[in-house]
Amino acid sequence: GAVVSQHPSWVICKSGTSVKIECRSLDFQATTMFWYRQFPKQSLMLMATSNEGSKATYEQGVEKDKFLINHASLTLSTLTVTSAHPEDSSFYICSAPEAGYNEQFFGPGTRLTVL
Amino acid sequence: QQQVKQSPQSLIVQKGGISIINCAYENTAFDYFPWYQQFPGKGPALLIAIRPDVSEKKEGRFTISFNKSAKQFSLHIMDSQPGDSATYFCAASYTGTASKLTFGTGTRLQVTL
Repeated sequence: GAVVSQHPSWVICKSGTSVKIECRSLDFQATTMFWYRQFPKQSLMLMATSNEGSKATYEQGVEKDKFLINHASLTLSTLTVTSAHPEDSSFYICSAPEAGYNEQFFGPGTRLTVL
Repeated sequence: QQQVKQSPQSLIVQKGGISIINCAYENTAFDYFPWYQQFPGKGPALLIAIRPDVSEKKEGRFTISFNKSAKQFSLHIMDSQPGDSATYFCAASYTGTASKLTFGTGTRLQVTL
């Protein structure tokens, strides 16, 4: 199956700093990518849909100015958590469907800890 | 309604037994139903998926049963192994590349020796 990578796999930062997480589709092009966050022992919560060539679509309740998404190319989307606070600590996961297919391929996730 | 309800929340099965996880959806427009397996600290991985035009799909030890009239679908893991111990999520979406997945709440499966 197709492979999606994320970088970094984990990051620790101080409160008030910004953190960028990259999501790459390694062997296919993805015009759409999805960003999720997952708290311990909970399900995945969709944050936003990243669209190549246009603005991201955010789910209700997700702060656009706090979680900046940029779909830079057909293989790369980035999520920047701005002015991070301890409550932003979570597991962030991206996914990408291969064009023309329903199947979504998930990245390995990024563990963010804000001190 | 976009909810997908999943049960049980947790499940303990002996090695060699059958693990059964159930999901129910409300939106009749959903037409793609995948199951994902997630190990701690990892991203979800697609196990098996089904569309409403079939009532059952089998891949190895994993089987999805689908009941369109009841709006329910279930995952059966035959001959469960300790390596199957993970969290399982059902999901539902519409056909289409940009379709968002609606996830169930997850089932933590533990397979004991």
